[in-house]
Amino acid sequence: AQSVTQLDSHVSVSEGTPVLLRCNYSSSYSPSLFWYVQHPNKGLQLLLKYTSAATLVKGINGFEAEFKKSETSFHLTKPSAHMSDAAEYFCVVSDRPGSGGYNKLIFGAGTRLAVHP
Amino acid sequence: AAGVIQSPRHLIKEKRETATLKCYPIPRHDTVYWYQQGPGQDPQFLISFYEKMQSDKGSIPDRFSAQQFSDYHSELNMSSLELGDSALYFCASTPPEEGNTEAFFGQGTRLTVV
Repeated sequence: AQSVTQLDSHVSVSEGTPVLLRCNYSSSYSPSLFWYVQHPNKGLQLLLKYTSAATLVKGINGFEAEFKKSETSFHLTKPSAHMSDAAEYFCVVSDRPGSGGYNKLIFGAGTRLAVHP
Repeated sequence: AAGVIQSPRHLIKEKRETATLKCYPIPRHDTVYWYQQGPGQDPQFLISFYEKMQSDKGSIPDRFSAQQFSDYHSELNMSSLELGDSALYFCASTPPEEGNTEAFFGQGTRLTVV
């Protein structure tokens, strides 16, 4: 069965310091992996996605994530945090088990990122 | 580019009333998902439809029902509303192509039950 574990429910960093949000997954198939960001009272915005191409994925706003199959991880990083990065981040696994089948979307529990001046 | 459209954006209902939320997926997308996000909570999967048939079911109360129509839009019907149903309801859609399973989310419908 598929599952997603976001290892930290809250992460707090100072502005200008690196950000690391951790995500581990389990999947029986070859999954696609995504990071979404949700700012307060807003919808979900796609940051980046991995769909079996390059394992290092670059997204919007300077975020990156590396797919490591051996570690079943897809951690999100950013070299230098900005105040506007404060938000909730969700790691999502999407599986399509078999040709013509439907997608299953599995959400992690979310990580709330706080950025301090 | 067209996005996932949800209507209404905001809805206020009284306890025991009924509400209908609508979701219009991106054209050609064949799978629709519904999620409920309570205040300060992560999205909880309710139900999904693939090619107009229910494909998966999550923590959807029996008071709720949903369907996908021939034009692929979906409606979530909620009856006997309770205060605890107040939440942001998201709809998402995915395209049919193999290897492209990115989900596109709507802006959500914020339901307030008073």
